[in-house]
Amino acid sequence: DAKTTQPNSMESNEEEPVHLPCNHSTISGTDYIHWYRQLPSQGPEYVIHGLTSNVNNRMASLAIAEDRKSSTLILHRATLRDAAVYYCILRDVFGNEKLTFGTGTRLTIIP
Amino acid sequence: KAGVTQTPRYLIKTRGQQVTLSCSPISGHRSVSWYQQTPGQGLQFLFEYFSETQRNKGNFPGRFSGRQFSNSRSEMNVSTLELGDSALYLCASSLASTANTEAFFGQGTRLTVV
Repeated sequence: DAKTTQPNSMESNEEEPVHLPCNHSTISGTDYIHWYRQLPSQGPEYVIHGLTSNVNNRMASLAIAEDRKSSTLILHRATLRDAAVYYCILRDVFGNEKLTFGTGTRLTIIP
Repeated sequence: KAGVTQTPRYLIKTRGQQVTLSCSPISGHRSVSWYQQTPGQGLQFLFEYFSETQRNKGNFPGRFSGRQFSNSRSEMNVSTLELGDSALYLCASSLASTANTEAFFGQGTRLTVV
């Protein structure tokens, strides 16, 4: 599985936008970029995913670099509930349900 | 609609015993995956089932096994429990087994081996 690199931790003030980076320099043309987050004492929760174009949903936006070697998860207005560990994961389009989690980024929201 | 349900939520077992964990996926989902989460190793993939067939297996010993029933419900079994098997076991379900679908996780079963 192609590898992703994320900062170990980040802090952000409440009600401000948060940009969570992910590097995936060995990404292949058939890899989807997925983001999940895990709140304390809960299972991981799907956030967003994309292949080449930027994506938006009610939770977040995903900005994908033109060369696809990096991506950024954008939380437009962080709340205390967004404090979690965020995982950036690559998934090959040719099947393979397996999610390979790295260490993720622990996001702390400052009130 | 109901989410992924894992039972039991908490379990305490003794070394050498065996344990069975259950996962009920979201209605209509045919893919079920299992993960182990520990503070030291993070989230690690155990195995994935799709339509009662194991399609993918992680790097765990043969003591870890699973199965999926015709209604897509899944069970995982760990035999001859070791202290190191203490972990949060998570189940995830998906509509299909492709990279373009999202996985929905349950809240997990916290297993403690004493």
